Amino acid sequence: RKEVEQDPGPFNVPEGATVAFNCTYSNSASQSFFWYRQDCRKEPKLLMSVYSSGNEDGRFTAQLNRASQYISLLIRDSKLSDSATYLCVVNLIVGNQFYFGTGTSLTVIP
Amino acid sequence: DAGVIQSPRHEVTEMGQEVTLRCKPISGHDYLFWYRQTMMRGLELLIYFNNNVPIDDSGMPEDRFSAKMPNASFSTLKIQPSEPRDSAVYFCASSTDRVGYGYTFGSGTRLTVV
Repeated sequence: RKEVEQDPGPFNVPEGATVAFNCTYSNSASQSFFWYRQDCRKEPKLLMSVYSSGNEDGRFTAQLNRASQYISLLIRDSKLSDSATYLCVVNLIVGNQFYFGTGTSLTVIP
Repeated sequence: DAGVIQSPRHEVTEMGQEVTLRCKPISGHDYLFWYRQTMMRGLELLIYFNNNVPIDDSGMPEDRFSAKMPNASFSTLKIQPSEPRDSAVYFCASSTDRVGYGYTFGSGTRLTVV
């Protein structure tokens, strides 16, 4: 079983729409959680950390549900520039090793 | 800060040749990671170092792959001999040991073995 699982999509949404991605993780000892964004032919970049109480950064909201072992990312008022692949990442207590999901592809359509 | 620097950006080589990928982590980062990304398998961790010491190399596909970190500012990933199935984007990333800080990735090396 993979450490992190995501729906690969693709998600095709119109500009201005709200879209949500979920990600599940298998190890209850996971300690830290992140969303990364990867543009086509570029490196992944940290989008935001995910905190237990949930957190918001502008149009982006991240949530963590430890009981069900999933994290989510909500994007409101989608922009064309949000088109990218969104990677879910979890970090276990042992070492500093991060496990990446395979990513969810988002295309925002004019 | 220049970020994580990888070289070369692109590499095309013939099957059987030796390939060396290079990485300079961010100064002060204690951890260095080598990842491989393909469409089929996504991002796979190959090996990671802590304070220049290899900690986990269980992701290295086979003996053809080797990685070194002779000092805190330089690491190499070598493939010898290379095979077409090694074609992928190879990323280097570094981080501090503060949990929750996240990674910084280099721009990657796009390797094509023909």
